[in-house]
Amino acid sequence: DVKVTQSSRYLVKRTGEKVFLECVQDMDHENMFWYRQDPGLGLRLIYFSYDVKMKEKGDIPEGYSVSREKKERFSLILESASTNQTSMYLCASDTGNTEAFFGQGTRLTVV
Amino acid sequence: DQQVKQNSPSLSVQEGRISILNCDYTNSMFDYFLWYKKYPAEGPTFLISISSIKDKNEDGRFTVFLNKSAKHLSLHIVPSQPGDSAVYFCASQNTGNQFYFGTGTSLTVIP
Repeated sequence: DVKVTQSSRYLVKRTGEKVFLECVQDMDHENMFWYRQDPGLGLRLIYFSYDVKMKEKGDIPEGYSVSREKKERFSLILESASTNQTSMYLCASDTGNTEAFFGQGTRLTVV
Repeated sequence: DQQVKQNSPSLSVQEGRISILNCDYTNSMFDYFLWYKKYPAEGPTFLISISSIKDKNEDGRFTVFLNKSAKHLSLHIVPSQPGDSAVYFCASQNTGNQFYFGTGTSLTVIP
């Protein structure tokens, strides 16, 4: 069974905190992605990575950074959380030749 | 700029009838199209896909149709079942392997 695992299902953080969202995949996929999902806006790409230590900005990278030190792990970092970053965050991975596999999602609330 | 559009935010269908979900795209360079299904508080799961060289792909109750000249694809579910109630995302993939998602259509199948 293919698996993309996100470390937390639900998180509540305070404004200004530094937040780490972790994602691990066990399929040896080269590509990994971070999306956020908001009502009426669908899935929007924040950052993606096509190799270890490589990263590319997606459509909405502002306020976020990422880290990929190992092939199986892709971390999303909110440098200073703000209330407009309250959202569902989804990690995904693929090989480039198949559909993407998604994690269960992390519902982040910034208060 | 939304490259993939799902103009119907919601759809209600009687159990046993056909559900038709529509999706339009703007970029003629897209060569792979996918549908994902998403339940609340879960990550999207892959449902069905179609390559740009085909105009139809069928998998059980699910059929995807692609009209390249109109830049339009649709997902047909026959017969619809209550368990099909979910949000459906259309996605397109270009040769750079980046996914573009629509905003989603929430399907409710009424028993």
